Parts: sequence; structure tokens; C-alpha cells
Amino acid sequence: EIVMTQSPVTLSASPGESATLSCRASQSVSSNLAWYQQKPGQAPRLLIYDTFTRATGIPARFSGSGSGAEFTLTISSLQSEDCALYYCQQYYSWYSFGQGTKLEIK
Amino acid sequence: EVQLVQSGAEVKKPGESLRISCKGSGYSFTKYWIAWVRQMPGKGLECMGIIYPGDSETRYNPSFQGQVTISADKSTSTAYLQWSSLKASDTAMYYCARQTRVSATVTPFDPWGQGTLVTVSS
Repeated sequence: EIVMTQSPVTLSASPGESATLSCRASQSVSSNLAWYQQKPGQAPRLLIYDTFTRATGIPARFSGSGSGAEFTLTISSLQSEDCALYYCQQYYSWYSFGQGTKLEIK
Repeated sequence: EVQLVQSGAEVKKPGESLRISCKGSGYSFTKYWIAWVRQMPGKGLECMGIIYPGDSETRYNPSFQGQVTISADKSTSTAYLQWSSLKASDTAMYYCARQTRVSATVTPFDPWGQGTLVTVSS
């Protein structure tokens, strides 16, 4: 089983700033890495897939990078609506998710 | 619009059986794998299993094998998740989600259903 570890657990940033969220896999997952946003009471929403491709309707403020076992989600020009939980997911071998990073907007 | 609509919240007693549903629309239901994902209260996401409605091929996460049954009815474009004997530890939100590429399993999940909250309590 591939274990996904996200850091930090909680991130606090101000509107207009950038936020960088990290995700590490216990082994290489190639480029089979996705990011999801989950707001309270809602289902997860796909943001990024195949490491850096934005899903339909996702603004360019969201960008993904990385390869192998180390990945990053960067959210620039933070807005209050970005307050949410963010999960990474590998789909290289079965499917596993990180434990999530909670993004707080000050 | 591609959409997955799940059945409503359920409250059950330990030992009871349950089947929840996920109805797809806006796409060819038989051509995309559907996943079931568990989210326990305040916890993260776990993929329980996937099904290909075209031929009902099913694959389970070993952690859930034998605990649940995943099925699909292509005549009604509906996937199901069922339990024969619920436990309190089955209390969770359950999501269905579609894989993003035709007939492929090495894909992320999009879209997701709205979720079905299952509460098991005596």
C-alpha cells in the first residue's frame, strides 16, 4: 500500500498571499497524482490531476508540480473562498489519499 | 452535465442490512468505472472498491473485502454499496465517484456524488 503524507496539517495565510501544500508518497507514483478541495458539508472537488493539469473550471491560481514521490500544490492570490481541506491522491497503485491539509484564511 | 446523485441519509441499528445507491446521468454509464469512498467522521478518504458497470467487474480494497458488496444495474445507470450486517464502526459518509477516462482505472475521481451519511447506532 502506498502511503501519502501531507504537510503541514494546518496552514494559515492572508488574502492575496500564496500557499504551498506538500504531499509525499512512500514510493514513486510517477505522475499519477491528484489534488482535491473539500469544503465543510461538501464532496471533494477535483482540482489538479496528472500532477499539474487543472480540472475543468479550476482557476489558474491553482497549480501543481512535482514528480516521483514529492508533489506540491500552490495556490496564489488567496481568497476567502479557498478556505478548505485539501487532499492529495495517488492512483498509480490502487488509490490512496493523504490525511489532508486544512487551509485557513486569516 | 455529468452527475452522480446518491440516495438519502440512513439511520440503522447494528446487525441490520443496508443498500445505498448512486445514479449516474449525462454520460455513458457503462463505460466508466465507479468508485465508492468512505469518510469516517473527522477523518480522511478511503477507496473501498470500484466497479465497471459495463460488465460488473468489481475490485475491492483488501480492507473492505468481505465487509461490503458493490454492484451495478446498467439498465437504471445505478451503482450500489451494500452491507449485510452493519456495525457501529460503519458510521460514515459514503461517496460514489466516477473515474475520469473511459474504461480506465488509472485515473482520478471526478465528479463525485453528494454523499450518503450512514449512521449505525443502537
